[in-house]
Amino acid sequence: AQSVTQLDSQVPVFEEAPVELRCNYSSSVSVYLFWYVQYPNQGLQLLLKYLSGSTLVKGINGFEAEFNKSQTSFHLRKPSVHISDTADYFCAVKRDRGSTLGRLYFGRGTQLTVWP
Amino acid sequence: GAVVSQHPSRVICKSGTSVKIECRSLDFQATTMFWYRQFPKKSLMLMATSNEGSKATYEQGVEKDKFLINHASLTLSTLTVTSAHPEDSSFYICSANMGGANVLTFGAGSRLTVL
Repeated sequence: AQSVTQLDSQVPVFEEAPVELRCNYSSSVSVYLFWYVQYPNQGLQLLLKYLSGSTLVKGINGFEAEFNKSQTSFHLRKPSVHISDTADYFCAVKRDRGSTLGRLYFGRGTQLTVWP
Repeated sequence: GAVVSQHPSRVICKSGTSVKIECRSLDFQATTMFWYRQFPKKSLMLMATSNEGSKATYEQGVEKDKFLINHASLTLSTLTVTSAHPEDSSFYICSANMGGANVLTFGAGSRLTVL
């Protein structure tokens, strides 16, 4: 079975500071990895994904994440945050085969708050 | 890009009534759609997989008679919360994948409040 752990439930940072949102997963098979962002009362928007290839993945809004297989991690980073980045961020995992696409396993989310 | 639309975005109903939430894929055909439920400060829980022209597949612990799913066309899936109770109050989100790609597109969600 898969599980996803987002180590920080809340991350407050000041504007223009760097940020890292941590995500660890457990799986006995190869996985696909995703980061989604959710603004208040909205659905989820895909930030970036790792399917294969380069372990450093760049996404929208200046975010990037690095897949580390040995540490089973997929931490999300941004070198300089804006107030508009304030939102909830969800890490998600899917087995690369053998399950429906919808069976994404989500972490509990990290609430990023950017202060001026 | 692919767009998934949900309606209504907010609904308030009395306990004991039924509520229908629609999920539409606006610019692509979706043979499969997915319904998630999100509790406050919690993650998303997959409720069921909606299959066009056939019965939905429910996750363990989800009451199929409580949460009726119909996927009558390639662009529309509906979730009906029957005999709603306050504990059914939640944020319901649907999603679909376009063309078999390994990425889900999510709707904006529907917040249900049962009084």
